[in-house]
Amino acid sequence: AQTVTQSQPEMSVQEAETVTLSCTYDTSESDYYLFWYKQPPSRQMILVIRQEAYKQQNATENRFSVNFQKAAKSFSLKISDSQLGDAAMYFCAYRSGGGSEKLVFGKGTKLTVNP
Amino acid sequence: DGGITQSPKYLFRKEGQNVTLSCEQNLNHDAMYWYRQDPGQGLRLIYYSQIVNDFQKGDIAEGYSVSREKKESFPLTVTSAQKNPTAFYLCASSNPPSGSEFAQRNIQYFGAGTRLSVL
Repeated sequence: AQTVTQSQPEMSVQEAETVTLSCTYDTSESDYYLFWYKQPPSRQMILVIRQEAYKQQNATENRFSVNFQKAAKSFSLKISDSQLGDAAMYFCAYRSGGGSEKLVFGKGTKLTVNP
Repeated sequence: DGGITQSPKYLFRKEGQNVTLSCEQNLNHDAMYWYRQDPGQGLRLIYYSQIVNDFQKGDIAEGYSVSREKKESFPLTVTSAQKNPTAFYLCASSNPPSGSEFAQRNIQYFGAGTRLSVL
């Protein structure tokens, strides 16, 4: 079974600075997808960014980018120019490329943004 | 507006009582999911359905039941057999790769959640 590990229960960053959240995963599959979801205090889960395993190019979405290291099974999230609204729980998730679409989540990292 | 609606926002269960959490989506998605979230834990899959009238158990299905009679609806019943039901419950939906725009594939969209507590 696949597992997702987020080794940083909590992180903090100063406003306008850059922060990187770590995620590693374990799988024997070659075809899969990886996601970062954000859960603000409202508890609504919001998709931040997605990466297809077959793509070598790292995904980017405005201030959010990933460092996808397939061989190392690592999928970190970099937030640039951090804003107060970025404060939230961040979850890394894995989805198999075939068959079921169910997601496997890490335990999350709580990000605090200091003004 | 298209989206996923969960109700109620807060729910209380008495001992021995079954309660049902509602999840409705108007995104025309084929697949729907139920997750449970406990403090300090990520989301864990309870049940999922990839098509109407079909569903599969997830990792923690014991004490829960679901139905999928309509594409738009995927209600979750927390039965009296679930001894520790206090948690935050999230419903999600997604569109399988076939017949959908690429940008929407493989993405799960979530409702706002239901917090269930035991009286």
